[in-house]
Amino acid sequence: NAGVTQTPKFQVLKTGQSMTLQCAQDMNHEYMSWYRQDPGMGLRLIHYSVGAGITDQGEVPNGYNVSRSTTEDFPLRLLSAAPSQTSVYFCATVRDGGYEQYFGPGTRLTVT
Amino acid sequence: ELKVEQNPLFLSMQEGKNYTIYCNYSTTSDRLYWYRQDPGKSLESLFVLLSNGAVKQEGRLMASLDTKARLSTLHITAAVHDLSATYFCAANYGGSQGNLIFGKGTKLSVKP
Repeated sequence: NAGVTQTPKFQVLKTGQSMTLQCAQDMNHEYMSWYRQDPGMGLRLIHYSVGAGITDQGEVPNGYNVSRSTTEDFPLRLLSAAPSQTSVYFCATVRDGGYEQYFGPGTRLTVT
Repeated sequence: ELKVEQNPLFLSMQEGKNYTIYCNYSTTSDRLYWYRQDPGKSLESLFVLLSNGAVKQEGRLMASLDTKARLSTLHITAAVHDLSATYFCAANYGGSQGNLIFGKGTKLSVKP
């Protein structure tokens, strides 16, 4: 089992560019989420999904879009990147009925 | 609105000493999590506390939960250099099993 994988590991974007951060899991977990981590801020929830076709907003959803067409994948889209979106992004999953969070390795994004 | 506060935010300890990190949360929560993060790495799960009075121990770390006081503690016994890391607490919110609000983290430095 690969667990939770994220690609890319590092990315540099220019302001206004778009990109998609990928998150994939092979554990058949229904719940998936995206967090961002900024220095001194802890992690903040961006969007989450409780199953294929179902997504909802977290604490800081502005500037990000998500969709969930399969159980395995939960991509995070930045439509027009801004310097304020410079951060480390973590994807996490939870087994249905469980509570243990499984975090991916993270994507470090810099927007110049 | 759930808020999670940790203190202290920075902690410099000598090896062999004991210390406690405190985590207060503002409203009722089902679960309290503790994570460790090394620089440039993802989060490592330490403990999940599910009920009032829960106490869990792993090596030199012990976590407890008092739901009436809305307080969790992470106690470090006889610190060693390998425990140097940033420690986060997080509380579950919003009715979905995976939605977490994180504290800002406690950066622990253990010096010989």
